[in-house]
Amino acid sequence: EPEVTQTPSHQVTQMGQEVILRCVPISNHLYFYWYRQILGQKVEFLVSFYNNEISEKSEIFDDQFSVERPDGSNFTLKIRSTKLEDSAMYFCASSYGTPKFGPGTRLTVT
Amino acid sequence: AQKVTQAQTEISVVEKEDVTLDCVYETRDTTYYLFWYKQPPSGELVFLIRRNSFDEQNEISGRYSWNFQKSTSSFNFTITASQVVDSAVYFCALSEDYGQNFVFGPGTRLSVLP
Repeated sequence: EPEVTQTPSHQVTQMGQEVILRCVPISNHLYFYWYRQILGQKVEFLVSFYNNEISEKSEIFDDQFSVERPDGSNFTLKIRSTKLEDSAMYFCASSYGTPKFGPGTRLTVT
Repeated sequence: AQKVTQAQTEISVVEKEDVTLDCVYETRDTTYYLFWYKQPPSGELVFLIRRNSFDEQNEISGRYSWNFQKSTSSFNFTITASQVVDSAVYFCALSEDYGQNFVFGPGTRLSVLP
């Protein structure tokens, strides 16, 4: 069964640095998402992407965040200047109906 | 606005007990989708079930069953004869449209003790 993959599995960065989290969605899926989960808390929606543009975004997804589908297979989330409170697990998902989640990238900002 | 409530923060049961996880949702739409996901200690989100608002038929899959009741806006999940491997955080989620983002409930941490 096809899977959503994410790299890296764990990223440690210093406050103020830029990070790019990478995802490879399932190839025939049309909708792509990023969610985050701060440790021990619920899963929160960040952004959805369809037809090469953002279709919806949450209040969390401010100007520090951006998404891109640079080459038709990868789907990236960039955080321009990381803050301590960006430390979380970031999940990518893709769907053609029911979203399938990747294994997540744990981001630690020190 | 959509909202999902899972009133049980943590549940502990002894192996082989049955356990029901509650989920109550709010939405203004007449068409919507409900989901359950399992998050084991390894951290990934594992899809368990999707139900659309027009299908109130209850579903059973092995030891898992789901009870969808539109009248009470609930979509409860029962594990029969629980096992230690069922220990995880379980999330209920709601989507108001096909392909749209969805809102997760806060999750219920289930611990099944041997």
